[in-house]
Amino acid sequence: QSVLTQPPSASGTPGQRVTISCSGSSSDIGSNAVNWYRHVPGTAPKLLMYQNNQRPSGVPDRFSGSKSGTSASLAINGLQSEDEADYFCALWDDSLEVIFGGGTKVTVL
Amino acid sequence: QVQLVQSGAEVKKPGASLKVSCTTSGYTFTSYYIHWMRQAPGQGLEWMGWVDPKRGATNYARKFKGRVTMTRDASINTVYMDLSRLKSDDTAVYYCAKEGTGNTLPDYWGQGTLVTVSS
Repeated sequence: QSVLTQPPSASGTPGQRVTISCSGSSSDIGSNAVNWYRHVPGTAPKLLMYQNNQRPSGVPDRFSGSKSGTSASLAINGLQSEDEADYFCALWDDSLEVIFGGGTKVTVL
Repeated sequence: QVQLVQSGAEVKKPGASLKVSCTTSGYTFTSYYIHWMRQAPGQGLEWMGWVDPKRGATNYARKFKGRVTMTRDASINTVYMDLSRLKSDDTAVYYCAKEGTGNTLPDYWGQGTLVTVSS
């Protein structure tokens, strides 16, 4: 069971906005920066967001991240069929271990 | 471009040991830690620890201390993860990932190595 809570699934039609949440506590999200990754099973996970809201080079600005209190969110604007994947959050907790969310499967209807 | 290429799938018997390799390219090997994670079937990701390719220092997750060893060979830009006393619930896809430049969490990941532990 993951320490960080994510909804197991999310969906939208092409062009819609989808938001994925990642909920934790004061000892993890409340005090540390969040990364977000996209994972297509069978391939290497890809970094989408670091330091809560920073996009690596090459990640479209359709993706945005935010954090407030003990929750973080990843938003996908203008949903595209290629966005179908699993998305998960990650961060260091206060015991200096990396923890992950359980992942959210995004489906494009 | 940054690449991390892992060794191939393995089938192990309970009680055996496992060694997974992760060969890197496209960046300075000694400049960034390497993390190891795993994902069991139907489960979320689990962090196992990191190794410093420059000094060989390690930091293991509490859950795996005493059973995991992470090493490196800087001459071939490769890190290794050894896991001993395998059990059936060690069946998982194991990943290596490079420490990020934006923060110390992983950025580039390997393709994963499927390990099946079965008698």
